[in-house]
Amino acid sequence: GDSVTQMEGPVTLSEEAFLTINCTYTATGYPSLFWYVQYPGEGLQLLLKATKADDKGSNKGFEATYRKETTSFHLEKGSVQVSDSAVYFCALHTNAGKSTFGDGTTLTVKP
Amino acid sequence: NAGVMQNPRHLVRRRGQEARLRCSPMKGHSHVYWYRQLPEEGLKFMVYLQKENIIDESGMPKERFSAEFPKEGPSILRIQQVVRGDSAAYFCASSPPGTGGPKNIQYFGAGTRLSVL
Repeated sequence: GDSVTQMEGPVTLSEEAFLTINCTYTATGYPSLFWYVQYPGEGLQLLLKATKADDKGSNKGFEATYRKETTSFHLEKGSVQVSDSAVYFCALHTNAGKSTFGDGTTLTVKP
Repeated sequence: NAGVMQNPRHLVRRRGQEARLRCSPMKGHSHVYWYRQLPEEGLKFMVYLQKENIIDESGMPKERFSAEFPKEGPSILRIQQVVRGDSAAYFCASSPPGTGGPKNIQYFGAGTRLSVL
């Protein structure tokens, strides 16, 4: 079946540091890939998405590129802020409507 | 345009009682998804519904759990005879008609946190 594997957390960085959160997937067919962010006590919010190979999703300084050859969708940000502290989920959605999420990576950014 | 509304936000039940979780999708959305998030774990897909139809319930436990999305009213996730292991956050998401599939974006509610005593 489909699966998503995320880099284990927690990840602790200083403000303005470079962020990478790794995400790899296995899926049949051609899924779309997503990153969601969850702030404490809230539901998930879409951060960015890519619907086909080589697409790059970007939002709020975060980027991720859909790499079919390596089945990866790593999340990056050049300079993190304290306000980026949250849990980040990588996910894939298939044609059938089923979604598979990674286990989440907790990011803490210290001033 | 109101977002996905879930209620209650917090629900406390004793073992053996029933829990009913409600989800009102965003206006105009006809696809609803339920997920469970256990403490310190990721989201696990439970069920995908369209109006009056269960499309995929492969993530639902075989017993005690059921879901519906009637023609009128919210989607309901029902857990009968709850046990302590059911304690979790349950999230609902919705997406608009015609976009089911890989290109859709799911909009999440704030979740219902179920505690079983």
